[in-house]
Amino acid sequence: EDQVTQSPEALRLQEGESSSLNCSYTVSGLRGLFWYRQDPGKGPEFLFTLYSAGEEKEKERLKATLTKKESFLHITAPKPEDSATYLCAVLGNTPLVFGKGTRLSVIA
Amino acid sequence: GAVVSQHPSWVICKSGTSVKIECRSLDFQATTMFWYRQFPKQSLMLMATSNEGSKATYEQGVEKDKFLINHASLTLSTLTVTSAHPEDSSFYICSAREWGKGGTEAFFGQGTRLTVV
Repeated sequence: EDQVTQSPEALRLQEGESSSLNCSYTVSGLRGLFWYRQDPGKGPEFLFTLYSAGEEKEKERLKATLTKKESFLHITAPKPEDSATYLCAVLGNTPLVFGKGTRLSVIA
Repeated sequence: GAVVSQHPSWVICKSGTSVKIECRSLDFQATTMFWYRQFPKQSLMLMATSNEGSKATYEQGVEKDKFLINHASLTLSTLTVTSAHPEDSSFYICSAREWGKGGTEAFFGQGTRLTVV
């Protein structure tokens, strides 16, 4: 059974304080690992797809990396507008399986 | 990225009535769409996979007679919550996958907040 575990559950950062979010997964035949941002009352907003270990993708202050067992979402010098819940999901032989997310709060 | 539009964004209905939610892929064709349900501070839980031109595939524990799914075209899927009850109140989200460019990316609608009173 495919599983996704995200940590920490919640993270509070000062503006400019860089950190990383973790997504550990087990999946049969990884076809893609997805990162999304979700604001309260909204649907998930697509950030990245990673397909193979060693792959990295960047977008503004965010950088996603992938190993065979986990993915990290690195946030460099975050701003208050980066506050959101970040969701990780894996696509294997079954439809997307989501983690519970990390609620990030960035304080000015 | 591709755009998935979901309507309405929120709805309040009386217990016992039915509610229809629409999901459209605006700039790409989606032979498959997905319907999720999300409770507060919880992850997205897949309810069913909607296939264009055929019956939907429901996840274990999801009542297919209560949550009717119709995938009428390559750009439209609908979820109808029949005889809604307060316990059906939740956040419903659809998604569609765009294939190509060597991989797959899944895009989500804005979600629909259903409140049954």
